[in-house]
Amino acid sequence: KNQVEQSPQSLIILEGKNCTLQCNYTVSPFSNLRWYKQDTGRGPVSLTIMTFSENTKSNGRYTATLDADTKQSSLHITASQLSDSASYICVVSADNTDKLIFGTGTRLQVFP
Amino acid sequence: EPEVTQTPSHQVTQMGQEVILRCVPISNHLYFYWYRQILGQKVEFLVSFYNNEISEKSEIFDDQFSVERPDGSNFTLKIRSTKLEDSAMYFCASSYFTGTANTGELFFGEGSRLTVL
Repeated sequence: KNQVEQSPQSLIILEGKNCTLQCNYTVSPFSNLRWYKQDTGRGPVSLTIMTFSENTKSNGRYTATLDADTKQSSLHITASQLSDSASYICVVSADNTDKLIFGTGTRLQVFP
Repeated sequence: EPEVTQTPSHQVTQMGQEVILRCVPISNHLYFYWYRQILGQKVEFLVSFYNNEISEKSEIFDDQFSVERPDGSNFTLKIRSTKLEDSAMYFCASSYFTGTANTGELFFGEGSRLTVL
């Protein structure tokens, strides 16, 4: 069964600190992996998209990595800001379907 | 910056009533989607739509649901005879390319919160 699992479920950090969020997936045949940011009660906003051949992709203070062999991805946030408080969702798509498979997300809270 | 807009932002309805959720996708996009998110749960795919027909639907998208692009700009989700378990946030999304295998960017709206009493 195609699944996306994320850890930790929630995370609290102080402003200015770095953090890394984890994603494991069992989606086949793999097409691409995305990280989304979702503020409470809002729609998801794309941060990065990576295909099988890409190991890392950055978007400002966000850096995603992908290991397609172990089916793991991470999202690293550098120098966190209060506005980074949100859910971060790992999303995977398979090669033979329109649908995106969402993880449950990591709820990040950044405190001053 | 172009965006996907959804109306209403919140709708409360009685069980058994019909509901229509509306979306205006980004104007040059070709692929349209509905997803839903029950409170506290993950976002789930409902349906994809291309060239005026459904291209894929999930097991959630049963005969109670229908989609339509009535006038070339709006994209609607109709839920007939709503049930308590239909209470969720419904997200519309659009993309220029099919948003999965071609790594096309999917743009999501802000969602329509449906509460069924």
